[in-house]
Amino acid sequence: DAGVIQSPRHEVTEMGQEVTLRCKPISGHDYLFWYRQTMMRGLELLIYFNNNVPIDDSGMPEDRFSAKMPNASFSTLKIQPSEPRDSAVYFCASSLINRAYSGNTIYFGEGSWLTVV
Amino acid sequence: QKEVEQNSGPLSVPEGAIASLNCTYSDRGSQSFFWYRQYSGKSPELIMFIYSNGDKEDGRFTAQLNKASQYVSLLIRDSQPSDSATYLCAVNMFVGDDKIIFGKGTRLHILP
Repeated sequence: DAGVIQSPRHEVTEMGQEVTLRCKPISGHDYLFWYRQTMMRGLELLIYFNNNVPIDDSGMPEDRFSAKMPNASFSTLKIQPSEPRDSAVYFCASSLINRAYSGNTIYFGEGSWLTVV
Repeated sequence: QKEVEQNSGPLSVPEGAIASLNCTYSDRGSQSFFWYRQYSGKSPELIMFIYSNGDKEDGRFTAQLNKASQYVSLLIRDSQPSDSATYLCAVNMFVGDDKIIFGKGTRLHILP
């Protein structure tokens, strides 16, 4: 089975430009997560969806960030306008919750490496 | 503020020895716990999960959970150079809230 697919893998953009990151979750998974990873802050949860509905976006740093999930197989994370401090690796992850053990094992995509100059 | 704490390391362990990685969490209601391994430049990959107090073994890896003391640990037996990576502890805080919170990770270096 294909894993979580993210694009682009690498992006370099100028400050002020719009950035759109894309994600295709594992087929059949009902949760989708967007994380951001930096050396200073580690892996931070930005937002997550359940059955395409945003559940918790409290990690989204500010209004410049937005995320959508129009259907079960596609999600976007948009930054407009981008700033140098947004430079990070953005991971998309998906999961199928297992109520038997109250667990939520998530699987990561390869990440989108964003550099804003 | 729900937190997951790990020593950033680096933790240096001789090849063949046991590596011990620790993690504490702040929310006493946390339900399930995960260990992920992340090689430099790669995405995190799941090693194992645990949700009951005690030990859980999978090959050279053993996860230990103590909910009363709010810590979870990972032991790696017969450490190999290929185990050199950053190990991330993750916590599913409580039933009904399905988000997973990660610690910042511990860098492990296995000395040949």
